[in-house]
Amino acid sequence: GENVEQHPSTLSVQEGDSAVIKCTYSDSASNYFPWYKQELGKRPQLIIDIRSNVGEKKDQRIAVTLNKTAKHFSLHITETQPEDSAVYFCAATPPYNQGGKLIFGQGTELSVKP
Amino acid sequence: DSGVTQTPKHLITATGQRVTLRCSPRSGDLSVYWYQQSLDQGLQFLIQYYNGEERAKGNILERFSAQQFPDLHSELNLSSLELGDSALYFCASSVKVHPNIGTGELFFGEGSRLTVL
Repeated sequence: GENVEQHPSTLSVQEGDSAVIKCTYSDSASNYFPWYKQELGKRPQLIIDIRSNVGEKKDQRIAVTLNKTAKHFSLHITETQPEDSAVYFCAATPPYNQGGKLIFGQGTELSVKP
Repeated sequence: DSGVTQTPKHLITATGQRVTLRCSPRSGDLSVYWYQQSLDQGLQFLIQYYNGEERAKGNILERFSAQQFPDLHSELNLSSLELGDSALYFCASSVKVHPNIGTGELFFGEGSRLTVL
């Protein structure tokens, strides 16, 4: 089945710097790659997603890139702010005939220092 | 508020016991997913239901079972509980899965925190 590896597990940056989180997936047929943000004690919430027919997607300070050949995708956060501090999870979706479930990476704890 | 309701929010029980976690998906969502989040762990996929039928299964223990009822709410049953089952259990729902696109956004509930003593 699908396996998603995420790095780094922790990331500390200064406010205003950029942060990059990287994920690799194993199933080349996976076609949907979302990123979720989980603040302390809260539920995970979708922040951005990308489908396999797109190489890059941007939403204000957040961008995601996908390299299907290498089977990896990355989250880029620019001009980080203290409220960006949270755990970020990447995920991949195996093909529909496997139910459409999301397989998550282990998470990256991002700390943005003022 | 995601529109996904989970009960109970907190549950403390003893080893060997059985508990049931309940989830009501967002109105109109046909797919329900259960995830387990242990301390310092990611989100482990347990099981998915779509319109009452089991659609996908992850590394769910045999001591665990789930079902989705005709009104689309779902229950996760955990039996013969062990200390290691202590975790935050999330339910999530999504809109109908499109055959050509696959899943979309998952809307998570607030979770049910299970503590096994």
